[in-house]
Amino acid sequence: AQSVAQPEDQVNVAEGNPLTVKCTYSVSGNPYLFWYVQYPNRGLQFLLKYITGDNLVKGSYGFEAEFNKSQTSFHLKKPSALVSDSALYFCAVRDDWVDSNYQLIWGAGTKLIIKP
Amino acid sequence: SAVISQKPSRDICQRGTSLTIQCQVDSQVTMMFWYRQQPGQSLTLIATANQGSEATYESGFVIDKFPISRPNLTFSTLTVSNMSPEDSSIYLCSARRQGRTDTQYFGPGTRLTVL
Repeated sequence: AQSVAQPEDQVNVAEGNPLTVKCTYSVSGNPYLFWYVQYPNRGLQFLLKYITGDNLVKGSYGFEAEFNKSQTSFHLKKPSALVSDSALYFCAVRDDWVDSNYQLIWGAGTKLIIKP
Repeated sequence: SAVISQKPSRDICQRGTSLTIQCQVDSQVTMMFWYRQQPGQSLTLIATANQGSEATYESGFVIDKFPISRPNLTFSTLTVSNMSPEDSSIYLCSARRQGRTDTQYFGPGTRLTVL
């Protein structure tokens, strides 16, 4: 069965420090992995995705994520956190072996709080 | 990318009434979806809006309660019928061009409160 786990409900980081938001997944075929961010009272904004190729993917707002096939992980990272990065972050996966309109399977979300 | 707008952005409705939410995409897309989200929580897919045919509903959601229209490749509506307080939620429209590797984009959401 397909699933996505974001093991941390909340991550607290001091401004200027590196941040990591964790995501692990389980799929039958090859994973297509996505990160989205949701600011308060807003819709979801696409940050980055991994489809194939280089395991390190760079995205919007200085974020990057590393695909690790052996650990089935796709952790989101940023070298230096900003207060404005405080938001709700969602990891999602699409399984290329499952033919159901290629739906995204969503993690529960991680609230990121950056303290000045 | 695709820019998606939704109307209304929020509404407060009385129990037993219905609300129709509109979703407009700035370019033609193959796939359009409707999600529900409780504040601070994950997304639940309600249905896939199919152009020219009936929507495909997920388990727990039915057409009588959530009728969906998709008259063309850029527009869809979701109606929340015979509302109860349990329908209070954020409703999100989403779209994707076609391929399985394509990015899915989201509208800003409609925050619905049912009294």
